[in-house]
Amino acid sequence: EADIYQTPRYLVIGTGKKITLECSQTMGHDKMYWYQQDPGMELHLIHYSYGVNSTEKGDLSSESTVSRIRTEHFPLTLESARPSHTSQYLCASTRNKNSPLHFGNGTRLTVT
Amino acid sequence: DQQVKQNSPSLSVQEGRISILNCDYTNSMFDYFLWYKKYPAEGPTFLISISSIKDKNEDGRFTVFLNKSAKHLSLHIVPSQPGDSAVYFCAAITTSGTYKYIFGTGTRLKVLA
Repeated sequence: EADIYQTPRYLVIGTGKKITLECSQTMGHDKMYWYQQDPGMELHLIHYSYGVNSTEKGDLSSESTVSRIRTEHFPLTLESARPSHTSQYLCASTRNKNSPLHFGNGTRLTVT
Repeated sequence: DQQVKQNSPSLSVQEGRISILNCDYTNSMFDYFLWYKKYPAEGPTFLISISSIKDKNEDGRFTVFLNKSAKHLSLHIVPSQPGDSAVYFCAAITTSGTYKYIFGTGTRLKVLA
């Protein structure tokens, strides 16, 4: 069973606030990902990382930023939350390309 | 440009019957395909995968079929159970390329008791 944890599970926050969504995994995976998903839509890749100090933007333009200072930790930060950021944010990791992604339980973010 | 497509947003099946979920892709470089199941307010759970060197992979009630010439894959669930009711996503990756897994829009399966 995959061990990847996201906090918080749910977050309601006002416009303009800075927030950080946490993601940690205990599997020693180098590759980590952030996806954004709205109901009825595909999972959109917003950021990924090949390893420590490596981060890349995904296919969906995002105003968020990420960091990868430790292998196990891949937090996502929104400097100034807006209602358009309301979504579910999913963190995932994998060991290599011939392996499945393991997902956390997600953070449901609502910006009022 | 959506490279992985699930054209059926929803599917209803009677308990005990077969569920068939379909997925089409456009990128011929994809060579590893996966199916995930997702309940509301949870992350996707990996179900089964298939490499492009195979055309079928089975795991218990789940079988994935790959037709490379048609760029089509399908997930068969036999027999379907009410607990299978969820949204199912297919995903694909090019293992010789970047580490980007591309997902479809999902199909909501409802298994009727």
